[in-house]
Amino acid sequence: EVQLLESGGGLVQPGGSLRLSCASSGFTFSNYAMTWVRQAPGKGLEWVSGISTGAIATYHAEPVKGRFTISRDNSKNTLYLQMNSLRAEDTAVYYCARWRHGNYFDYWGQGTLVTVSS
Amino acid sequence: QTVVTQEPSFSVSPGGTVTLTCGLSSGSVSSSYYPSWYQQTPGQAPRTLIYNTNTRSSGVPDRFSGSILGNKAALTITGAQADDECDYYCVLYMDSGIYVFGTGTKVTVL
Repeated sequence: EVQLLESGGGLVQPGGSLRLSCASSGFTFSNYAMTWVRQAPGKGLEWVSGISTGAIATYHAEPVKGRFTISRDNSKNTLYLQMNSLRAEDTAVYYCARWRHGNYFDYWGQGTLVTVSS
Repeated sequence: QTVVTQEPSFSVSPGGTVTLTCGLSSGSVSSSYYPSWYQQTPGQAPRTLIYNTNTRSSGVPDRFSGSILGNKAALTITGAQADDECDYYCVLYMDSGIYVFGTGTKVTVL
């Protein structure tokens, strides 16, 4: 059974940093691209970042470009999102998802809440 | 900035049919945008319904179908059931590894 489990969320002050993790199981992690999607409270889904299987290619949405970095450790079956210079508008539940060839996301974690507030 | 538009809300009767659409603020949606559709109940993670315009994800009932209608992607629910009442999001692939989610549609079954 495919499982994705996010962790690392919490309360952080504006301008601060946080690193999210997404631990995977039930599939060969190194064979799949992965992505992060977020959802602000009461708002819609927003694609954040994506990474290829071998981490050769990474992609970020404009609102987070230059502040967020997606990475992965295939030896640990884990996906990461390093978030720097956090702003109030980054407050959201962050989901990791498996990114399939064919341009869609097939399995999702349950999410971790990031709150940026003083 | 690209905006992917969806109807804010739709109401459908039990057993009825509803078609949600997914459009671009400028331009037409085609299969080359690889439209996919996701269902989300409040407080829960999204669930994948449709990908590559019209392919149902594993375990998704055949009352859900995807298509291109005119210049938009579309998700049709045929024979709506009470547990279809939730939020629906489309996603379009914009090239160069970038994706944009639609604004979402809240479906009410009553």
